[in-house]
Amino acid sequence: QSALTQPASVSGSPGQSITISCTGASSDVGGYYYVSWYQQHPGKAPKLMIYDVSKRPSGVSNRFSGSKSGNTASLTISGLQAQDEADYYCSSYRSSEAVFGTGTKVTVL
Amino acid sequence: QVQLVQSGAEVKKPGASVKVSCKASGYTFTGYYIHWVRQAPGQGLEWVGRINPNSGGTNYAQKFQGRVTMTRDTSISSASMELTRLTSDDTAVYYCSRDGGRIGNSGWYTDYWGQGTLVTVSS
Repeated sequence: QSALTQPASVSGSPGQSITISCTGASSDVGGYYYVSWYQQHPGKAPKLMIYDVSKRPSGVSNRFSGSKSGNTASLTISGLQAQDEADYYCSSYRSSEAVFGTGTKVTVL
Repeated sequence: QVQLVQSGAEVKKPGASVKVSCKASGYTFTGYYIHWVRQAPGQGLEWVGRINPNSGGTNYAQKFQGRVTMTRDTSISSASMELTRLTSDDTAVYYCSRDGGRIGNSGWYTDYWGQGTLVTVSS
């Protein structure tokens, strides 16, 4: 059950845009539109930010957007704000299971 | 409003079993899968499995096959996860969460999460 690959950390200044990648294989990210993204602040439960590759749940800022190309999915945060500083995880369907990414720590400089 | 409330923290010895419960409210319990996800201290998220509260059918991560059992009690809108033969590697916060799509249209993502249950395995 190998995890999807994410960069360990990404940083940006307030107002900038950053992109987090999530690399898998044709058996997971590349083969399905079941890619989702979660934000997690320290000591809190994860929060759904994006599902089905690019859909935003009600209440999530339109500064968050998702996309996919081949076996790599991406989460872009535009207009970076202090409250965006958190850990971010991607997730995908794979053979009747779900698999998470390794996680990315986003730092707002 | 949708709520998932989990049972309290547990301390177990190696080799023992633990059972964590998750009580749902604010929606039709039998209409959505319940997933279980864990997070070891300072580590990432790890999917454990899911249960169909309507049929009782389960999908478990291969890693936990033979060691995990997920059940539900529809009379009290509650799901449970039991993990056996615990080792120190099982020390983690265990979360239950609700699938974002109705059963039959599962999206393999979760939109509501419980508060988490810390399970500590120590001799």
